[in-house]
Amino acid sequence: NAGVTQTPKFQVLKTGQSMTLQCAQDMNHNSMYWYRQDPGMGLRLIYYSASEGTTDKGEVPNGYNVSRLNKREFSLRLESAAPSQTSVYFCASSEIVQGLFHRTDTQYFGPGTRLTVL
Amino acid sequence: AQKITQTQPGMFVQEKEAVTLDCTYDTSDPSYGLFWYKQPSSGEMIFLIYQGSYDQQNATEGRYSLNFQKARKSANLVISASQLGDSAMYFCAMRKDTGRRALTFGSGTRLQVQP
Repeated sequence: NAGVTQTPKFQVLKTGQSMTLQCAQDMNHNSMYWYRQDPGMGLRLIYYSASEGTTDKGEVPNGYNVSRLNKREFSLRLESAAPSQTSVYFCASSEIVQGLFHRTDTQYFGPGTRLTVL
Repeated sequence: AQKITQTQPGMFVQEKEAVTLDCTYDTSDPSYGLFWYKQPSSGEMIFLIYQGSYDQQNATEGRYSLNFQKARKSANLVISASQLGDSAMYFCAMRKDTGRRALTFGSGTRLQVQP
């Protein structure tokens, strides 16, 4: 049971190059997320997918596209990388659990991808 | 819109002592969840503790407890008996219970535990 896995762990791109960050989870979760973390800041949502076949924009979606390939996999694509996209990218997944009084869920994160755009 | 504020950029604590990390939040949603995550120098995000807005009791998980004061909109993390391995960045986050269930994060507090 690996949880959430991300590839690659590190990547250096030149401005204008494209690449896809891969994410997979083996917890049978419906919801998956992509966040970015800039130095000295908390994580910000790029895109999320509430379930297989659905995606929606988050707080900072410009310059990115996503694909929810199946229930396990959620990829993030940079079509034309820019230096402003230098960041650490985290994928997460979660599942809603019905508790006694209300629903709850916890997001579990992958190890992150450190991306540098020159 | 939701907002999380962590006013302590850095904190020091002696080993074996307790420490409180502050978190205040702002939301108009009646139902929401509050989370704390730990990010060690290795970079991964580790879930620590969760508090639901309707929970009557403060959440506890081992040495971690969440001091939830709903009227003040605060959700402070208390770490008892600090250990050297507790040195890390700590992030407070929240998400609403309806609609998009993504997390909104604060800017974090760097905790350093001294021997």
